[in-house]
Amino acid sequence: QQQVKQSPQSLIVQKGGISIINCAYENTAFDYFPWYQQFPGKGPALLIAIRPDVSEKKEGRFTISFNKSAKQFSLHIMDSQPGDSATYFCAAIGNQGGKLIFGQGTELSVKP
Amino acid sequence: ETGVTQSPTHLIKTRGQQVTLRCSSQSGHNTVSWYQQALGQGPQFIFQYYREEENGRGNFPPRFSGLQFPNYSSELNVNALELDDSALYLCASSLDPIRELFFGEGSRLTVL
Repeated sequence: QQQVKQSPQSLIVQKGGISIINCAYENTAFDYFPWYQQFPGKGPALLIAIRPDVSEKKEGRFTISFNKSAKQFSLHIMDSQPGDSATYFCAAIGNQGGKLIFGQGTELSVKP
Repeated sequence: ETGVTQSPTHLIKTRGQQVTLRCSSQSGHNTVSWYQQALGQGPQFIFQYYREEENGRGNFPPRFSGLQFPNYSSELNVNALELDDSALYLCASSLDPIRELFFGEGSRLTVL
């Protein structure tokens, strides 16, 4: 019940294309869903986050879509660029804070 | 405003030894969380400290221990090192336990 399942494990997209990464969760106590971007040898960096009272949040080329009834959320990267090549993690945390649960990660490669 | 800083960046230990990793939280942040990230995996929650008290612990044995100091910096100690402890150890700070986490670059531990 504490897991966050992420797919796909790896993704190859052409420059200018749309990258889509999906996550699913079980614990209905989760109420904050961030996405992190991690480059090799670096720590994860917060990219964008959403709370379940909205169905979509957009920041630049990055959009989170949230489906509360299905307990699923996804990250869309529009106009994907080679500089977006990194590992992306979805995560979830409850309103008591503490333990941020991460998905398994998606290694994105954007080809020129 | 300085971000989260961790030291050392890399270290090599042998089985049975002890290690101490250090973290300086971002200015104004009173909460520090520690995560272990094995190669190719998502970060796993070790524990969180809020105002010098432990505020949640993940599924790690007692040989993983921590401290938070009055200036909100933190230490992670691991005793009796095992080969499986080889990982990237990430520290993250936040304004409080339920706010966004900001990660440092990590300390890469190799146990031989």
